[in-house]
Amino acid sequence: KNQVEQSPQSLIILEGKNCTLQCNYTVSPFSNLRWYKQDTGRGPVSLTIMTFSENTKSNGRYTATLDADTKQSSLHITASQLSDSASYICVVSQGGTGFQKLVFGTGTRLLVSP
Amino acid sequence: SAVISQKPSRDICQRGTSLTIQCQVDSQVTMMFWYRQQPGQSLTLIATANQGSEATYESGFVIDKFPISRPNLTFSTLTVSNLSPEDSSIYLCSVGDRVANYEQYFGPGTRLTVT
Repeated sequence: KNQVEQSPQSLIILEGKNCTLQCNYTVSPFSNLRWYKQDTGRGPVSLTIMTFSENTKSNGRYTATLDADTKQSSLHITASQLSDSASYICVVSQGGTGFQKLVFGTGTRLLVSP
Repeated sequence: SAVISQKPSRDICQRGTSLTIQCQVDSQVTMMFWYRQQPGQSLTLIATANQGSEATYESGFVIDKFPISRPNLTFSTLTVSNLSPEDSSIYLCSVGDRVANYEQYFGPGTRLTVT
């Protein structure tokens, strides 16, 4: 079964600290892996997209890693800010070319406290 | 990136009624999708809105319950019919841009509460 699992479910950190969110997937065939940030009451916004051949990609203070052999990804947030409080969703694209089916994780809810 | 707006942003509806959600994009896009996000759950694809033809529904979703229209390349509607409390969810419009390497962008969502 094609699944994306994320951990932890929720996380509270102090402002300025770093954190790492985890994603394991069993989607096949694999096309790419995306991390989205979803603020409360808003739609998801793409942070990074990684294909099979990429093992790291950064977007400002966000750095995503991908290990296609173990089917694991992580999202590292550096020097967290209050505005980082949101849900972070790992999404894996399944299939070949064109628009592929997206398989969504349930997200990690991050709260950055002052 | 595409800018997507949805109307209404939220609504409270009575059981047995219907709600139509509008999705407007600021540019012509190849694909439009409708998702549902139930409380505490991940996003689930309801259907792909096809311009000028019937939408393509995912398993578990039917046209009678979720009729969809897409009259042009920038606009789509999703109707949630015969509402029950189980339909209380966030409904999101998403667009896909072939030019942008098949990136998908999401609208702000419509929060529906059925009483």
